Amino acid sequence: NAGVMQNPRHLVRRRGQEARLRCSPMKGHSHVYWYRQLPEEGLKFMVYLQKENIIDESGMPKERFSAEFPKEGPSILRIQQVVRGDSAAYFCASSLYTSTDTQYFGPGTRLTVL
Amino acid sequence: KQEVTQIPAALSVPEGENLVLNCSFTDSAIYNLQWFRQDPGKGLTSLLLIQSSQREQTSGRLNASLDKSSGRSTLYIAASQPGDSATYLCAVLNQAGTALIFGKGTTLSVSS
Repeated sequence: NAGVMQNPRHLVRRRGQEARLRCSPMKGHSHVYWYRQLPEEGLKFMVYLQKENIIDESGMPKERFSAEFPKEGPSILRIQQVVRGDSAAYFCASSLYTSTDTQYFGPGTRLTVL
Repeated sequence: KQEVTQIPAALSVPEGENLVLNCSFTDSAIYNLQWFRQDPGKGLTSLLLIQSSQREQTSGRLNASLDKSSGRSTLYIAASQPGDSATYLCAVLNQAGTALIFGKGTTLSVSS
């Protein structure tokens, strides 16, 4: 059973461009979470999604950031008009039945904004 | 607002030593608590999950305890090995049961 997959692993964007981060949960998992790890800071929750629904987006910046988890295909975290402060590692996690199950993390996407 | 603190921030020990990592949280209304390991430049590996009704969990050389009323958890590592060198993260599932709140971690270095 393959783990959580994230791509790309490394992404470089110039200020003002768009960044798209993809996450494929573990097989059979229908709960997806996105976290951000800024340099020298801990992991911070961004958003929790189930198929076609956003359940909790309390950690997501109000502007430029959006997330989706369509019926088919991976979950996407989209950052529009990136700024240098968006440079971070973005981790995706998934769980099987409920949000209280163990969350399994992907390897992360490291975004660098020039 | 839930806050998670891990002490110490860094720890260096010789191989074979038993050690304890500490985690504290401010709001005892949690669903569960998870301990993770993170290697440099890598993702997180789940080590142990303790439900709020449980007192401890064990996996191999690892033992995690939970005292919800005092807002504390400890991760005990027996007979440490150089391969245990990593950052250990503690996280509690928030009151809504939707998000993990992480501490900043304890970076462990085990020398041979």
